[in-house]
Amino acid sequence: QQQVKQSPQSLIVQKGGISIINCAYENTAFDYFPWYQQFPGKGPALLIAIRPDVSEKKEGRFTISFNKSAKQFSLHIMDSQPGDSATYFCAAQGQKKSSGDKLTFGTGTRLAVRP
Amino acid sequence: DTAVSQTPKYLVTQMGNDKSIKCEQNLGHDTMYWYKQDSKKFLKIMFSYNNKELIINETVPNRFSPKSPDKAHLNLHINSLELGDSAVYFCASSPRTGVGYTFGSGTRLTVV
Repeated sequence: QQQVKQSPQSLIVQKGGISIINCAYENTAFDYFPWYQQFPGKGPALLIAIRPDVSEKKEGRFTISFNKSAKQFSLHIMDSQPGDSATYFCAAQGQKKSSGDKLTFGTGTRLAVRP
Repeated sequence: DTAVSQTPKYLVTQMGNDKSIKCEQNLGHDTMYWYKQDSKKFLKIMFSYNNKELIINETVPNRFSPKSPDKAHLNLHINSLELGDSAVYFCASSPRTGVGYTFGSGTRLTVV
């Protein structure tokens, strides 16, 4: 079963707009939630991450909002730029002894920012 | 000074062949991983090694065999390649739990 559900599958946003990608998880043992950005032909690169003891984390134009009770978290990209066009993955990781330290990824969101 | 490097970047081979993909990291990380990205871009873990010890072995056909000669290297050997093995394979490393992975740039394997 898909332990981390991600939506939407694809997203088109105008330059300067806000891009919002949502994820939901099932396993309450998860305690680290990173977002990765992947450009064509490249490996995923860590963008920003959050732990469940905070509800929001901001780094530049990128913000993660986290709702522990709903088991949901989302990525907001403010003032979206054409250079942000990429595939974005949410992920979740649990304690080493429960999950062997693996990252479980969402299914990805292909973002296109129109000029 | 690439952090996680994989070779080769592209691999085209015939069904039934045996091939290897090599991975090296110069970050001093203790844990290394192999992930498979399918045609729909879904990333799924295959193996992880911590200091040369196998930690995770997901449901992967035993035609796939990882080998870690030291903590900076994790290679993937695939026997009797099948069409369904075509995918992009990513190596990654991490210093510890709760810190993001660093991924290599991937090896695109095409089995014909």
